[in-house]
Amino acid sequence: SQQGEEDPQALSIQEGENATMNCSYKTSINNLQWYRQNSGRGLVHLILIRSNEREKHSGRLRVTLDTSKKSSSLLITASRAADTASYFCATDARGDKIIFGKGTRLHILP
Amino acid sequence: GAGVSQSPSNKVTEKGKDVELRCDPISGHTALYWYRQRLGQGLEFLIYFQGNSAPDKSGLPSDRFSAERTGESVSTLTIQRTQQEDSAVYLCASSGDYSAYEQYFGPGTRLTVT
Repeated sequence: SQQGEEDPQALSIQEGENATMNCSYKTSINNLQWYRQNSGRGLVHLILIRSNEREKHSGRLRVTLDTSKKSSSLLITASRAADTASYFCATDARGDKIIFGKGTRLHILP
Repeated sequence: GAGVSQSPSNKVTEKGKDVELRCDPISGHTALYWYRQRLGQGLEFLIYFQGNSAPDKSGLPSDRFSAERTGESVSTLTIQRTQQEDSAVYLCASSGDYSAYEQYFGPGTRLTVT
């Protein structure tokens, strides 16, 4: 069964606004990762957060992890047109293979 | 250094034919994954190789699908007797470990079955 599920499925916001995407998962994990996909091809790694971490930052990205709720959020601040993409969370079930969610399609409006 | 490469980038084949997709991972990466992504959908896990361990084939959708990997190098995904529902982008990714490291993705092979 799917390990991670992103929410919402699609999101449209104005350029300059913040975008928040959520990921929920089912079993205990060692790590959670977020990836971005442009134009339906290869994914690019954004950030990895370990199960003993609660928050992590990378540039305009902020990721939180709540292991008690089995959920994570990805916040993109001051969004830009180039942020238009699909965003996926990826989780490992206790160190097993990595499974991706179905993704959130983010569209930044000019 | 070179990233993950996949070939061909596009493949059009007739229903019933066999196809072979190739993935060249980053040198030294022990883990290699194959995923399938249908248009507008998420990534569907197919198969996972980790070092010399037996591959995890739990995601292969049918016995028409198979994959091999030679040591810690090239992998091939073979689809026999292709069906129209096999049309998708097939993505390969490699990493230094199974979960503790980021995955590096290839550009994918877009397979169209007519």
